[in-house]
Amino acid sequence: SSELTQDPAVSVALGQTVSITCQGDSLRTYYASWYQQKPGQAPVLVIYNKKYRPSGIPDRFSGSSSGNTASLTITGAQAEDEADYYCNSRDSNGDHLVFGGGTKLTVL
Amino acid sequence: EVQLVESGGGLVQPGRSLRLSCTASGFTFDDYAMHWVRQAPGKGLEWVSGITWNSGIIDFADSVKGRFTISRDNAKNSLFLQMNSLRPEDTALYYCTKDFTGKWELTNVFDYWGQGTLVTVSS
Repeated sequence: SSELTQDPAVSVALGQTVSITCQGDSLRTYYASWYQQKPGQAPVLVIYNKKYRPSGIPDRFSGSSSGNTASLTITGAQAEDEADYYCNSRDSNGDHLVFGGGTKLTVL
Repeated sequence: EVQLVESGGGLVQPGRSLRLSCTASGFTFDDYAMHWVRQAPGKGLEWVSGITWNSGIIDFADSVKGRFTISRDNAKNSLFLQMNSLRPEDTALYYCTKDFTGKWELTNVFDYWGQGTLVTVSS
C-alpha cells in the first residue's frame, strides 16, 4: 500500500468544483505534485510544489495543502478533465519518492 | 520540443535480465536529474529509480533495490535501467521522466514523460 492515500474515485457535475485529496505524514514536511493521466496516455504534470501550475495548464486547476493533506481543486470541471489523478511526494522517512494510489475523476 | 523515447521492453522469463534505454532530445540533458516510473497493467504509478545529472545521487524504490541499476550517458543524452532477477510483479509500462528542477537532487516533479516501454515478465 502507498504511504500517500487517495480516494479511489470521485465524481463532479460538469461546471462544478471538485477537490481531490492526498493524505500522508510526509506531506507535513514535503510538497506534493499532481499528475493527470488519461486512458492510453502518459501522465501530465498539473501542479507542483503544492500550488504552482506548469505553463499550459488551465487556471481552473489549483493546489493547496494543510497538515498531512494535499488537495488538487478543479474549479468549473470540464468534460476533458475526466482522468486519473495522482499525487506524489516523499515517503514518511523522506528517503524515497512515492505516488499515491490515484483517484479516478468522473465528470457527470 | 522535449522528447523522451524509451526502448528495450519485451517479454522475458522470470529471473532473467533486461536493459531499458531512454533517448532524450530538446533540452540540455546533463542539466537535469532523470527518473524511471512504472505502471502495472490497470494499476497506479510507481516511482522506480532516479539519478542526478552526474550520477552523484542514485535512489531506488525498495521493491527493486538490489535488482535494478540506473545509469546515464550524458554524451549520448541517454538514460538506462538495467533490470536483473526479474519477477512477474515487475510487469509494467516503464516511463522515462525528466526532473523539472533537480540537477543536484531528486525532486518529485516530473515535467516530461516518454510514452513508455512495456516489460512483461512471464514464463
